Amino acid sequence: GESVGLHLPTLSVQEGDNSIINCAYSNSASDYFIWYKQESGKGPQFIIDIRSNMDKRQGQRVTVLLNKTVKHLSLQIAATQPGDSAVYFCAERYGTSYGKLTFGQGTILTVHP
Amino acid sequence: ETGVTQTPRHLVMGMTNKKSLKCEQHLGHNAMYWYKQSAKKPLELMFVYNFKEQTENNSVPSRFSPECPNSSHLFLHLHTLQPEDSALYLCASSQGEGTSGNEQFFGPGTRLTVL
Repeated sequence: GESVGLHLPTLSVQEGDNSIINCAYSNSASDYFIWYKQESGKGPQFIIDIRSNMDKRQGQRVTVLLNKTVKHLSLQIAATQPGDSAVYFCAERYGTSYGKLTFGQGTILTVHP
Repeated sequence: ETGVTQTPRHLVMGMTNKKSLKCEQHLGHNAMYWYKQSAKKPLELMFVYNFKEQTENNSVPSRFSPECPNSSHLFLHLHTLQPEDSALYLCASSQGEGTSGNEQFFGPGTRLTVL
């Protein structure tokens, strides 16, 4: 039979609005989380990371929130711009394997001028 | 630019061909990775090399053969691939085990089509 692929979540916003992209992670033992942005035709680009001993971290126009109780991660983008249009992935790391990241499925963000 | 380059950017090959993908990082990192990105699927880790030693093989079929001659270069040798192997193959690097650097820097990927 035909295999069914994932339907990526999508988020459409107007330029200047704030965007919130959500991610549910799988392992309560995960100790490190990263958000990546992937534009069409390019590899993923690092946005911001957070360790499990923190619940909030801010960067330039971006904030990551971590809720370990419900295993939820969010990325907030302030004053979203058309250049922010991309697929956004969260990734988690757990165990002693420093380099083994498990990626989420991604969210498509579209910013309308 | 992330400091990680991949060649070729696009590759079309038949199922009986043998080809190789190349990755080079100019960041002084000690760990390198191969990922497969298929349409509508999460990124799948294939292989991890740390200080030129393979530390992870994520149940990848033997038709994919990695090679890491030094910490700056990583290859993925391909032979007798299947059409379902068509995907974007991404290389990444990071500082490596025993360091504080967890962030992985990705190359632009090689878009592979298997006919």
